[in-house]
Amino acid sequence: QSVLTQPPSVSGAPGQSVTISCTGSSSNIGAGYDVHWHQQLPGTAPKLLIFGNTKRPSGVPDRFSASKSGTSASLAITGLQAEDEADYYCQSYDSSLSGPVFGGGTQLTVL
Amino acid sequence: VQLVQSGAELKKPGASVKVSCKASGYTFTGYYTHWVRQAPGQGLEWMGWINPNTADTRYAQEFQGRVTMTSDTSIRTAYLELNSLTSYDTAVYYCARKSVSESNGYDFWGQGTLVTVSS
Repeated sequence: QSVLTQPPSVSGAPGQSVTISCTGSSSNIGAGYDVHWHQQLPGTAPKLLIFGNTKRPSGVPDRFSASKSGTSASLAITGLQAEDEADYYCQSYDSSLSGPVFGGGTQLTVL
Repeated sequence: VQLVQSGAELKKPGASVKVSCKASGYTFTGYYTHWVRQAPGQGLEWMGWINPNTADTRYAQEFQGRVTMTSDTSIRTAYLELNSLTSYDTAVYYCARKSVSESNGYDFWGQGTLVTVSS
């Protein structure tokens, strides 16, 4: 059972938009710790997609955006493309566990 | 920036494994090296970190007593050693670079090392 809760799967057609939620608690997201998002393409290592709640590393398309509010965060992907099909993980810090924590991951299927 | 990990390992239950992660393209002692594992078909699990500058470490509670993280700054390499292996330790083990600030995520990852535990 992951500390951060994500939906197991989401799907959308090419060109559409999807949102992936990440729900935490008062010891992690709700405590003010930043949320980061990672994309893991099939058979590859994770890649940083969003850091510091809303910031995109160089090279990440602006189709990817994220937000944070209260004890939750969300990742939005607009203009879905086949290459976006991957697993997406949110990550934050938990003060009770004194370490980083991950969501269980969300599998995005582009129909 | 690159993190290059050692190759796949096959171990018997009860054995130990040591995985390496060689860094290049940045100041090795300027960032923490974290270790994260992923069991087959499962999510990401944080194992701990090492500060190569001070050799300080912090381990996730479930691995305490069974894991050792070290580094050799002369060859810019971090190591993960896991003891008393069971089938539940079968996973891909990743090293990842992270600054000390929690405002930054894991900005570079190694390619992963598959550790298979089987008799």
